[in-house]
Amino acid sequence: AQTVTQSQPEMSVQEAETVTLSCTYDTSESNYYLFWYKQPPSRQMILVIRQEAYKQQNATENRFSVNFQKAAKSFSLKISDSQLGDTAMYFCAFMKAGDYKLSFGAGTTVTVRA
Amino acid sequence: DVKVTQSSRYLVKRTGEKVFLECVQDMDHENMFWYRQDPGLGLRLIYFSYDVKMKEKGDIPEGYSVSREKKERFSLILESASTNQTSMYLCASSLPAGSASSYEQYFGPGTRLTVT
Repeated sequence: AQTVTQSQPEMSVQEAETVTLSCTYDTSESNYYLFWYKQPPSRQMILVIRQEAYKQQNATENRFSVNFQKAAKSFSLKISDSQLGDTAMYFCAFMKAGDYKLSFGAGTTVTVRA
Repeated sequence: DVKVTQSSRYLVKRTGEKVFLECVQDMDHENMFWYRQDPGLGLRLIYFSYDVKMKEKGDIPEGYSVSREKKERFSLILESASTNQTSMYLCASSLPAGSASSYEQYFGPGTRLTVT
């Protein structure tokens, strides 16, 4: 089984500033996907960004980017120019290639202050 | 847009009751999942189904069963609810492995179940 660890239970950031969420994982697989999901308060969880392990280039989606360090088994999420709507719980998740099951971390609650 | 709906947002049941949680998706997805979400533990997979009448146990299936009689509907059943099953329950769906975008799971809004 894959283990996904998010060591920061809560983070707070001023609007327009940058925040980085950390995630580490443990696997013996060589081909897999990594994800960050966002769960806003009382709203449905949505996919923010994904990274394929075979790709060296870090994924970017608008203000969201990742720092994928395969050898270190690290997958951090950077939120730039934070907005109030970014307030949410963020989950890091792992999936083996060809599989359909996700393994989730414990989550990090991000609060953006006005 | 994919829509995943769950029958209740909040549910209060008594210990020993039989509880049904319903999930419906409208995108013809083969895969459907039931998770429970607890503080500090993230989401843990209870059961998943990859086709009608097909199911597999996830990481924490004890005390739960599932039913999938139609492709769009996936039910989670607590045969005899206990207080340690008080939790948030999330349903999700996805395309089969190997499909384009099969990696993405689409989630419902969740059901917060309290067992007293």
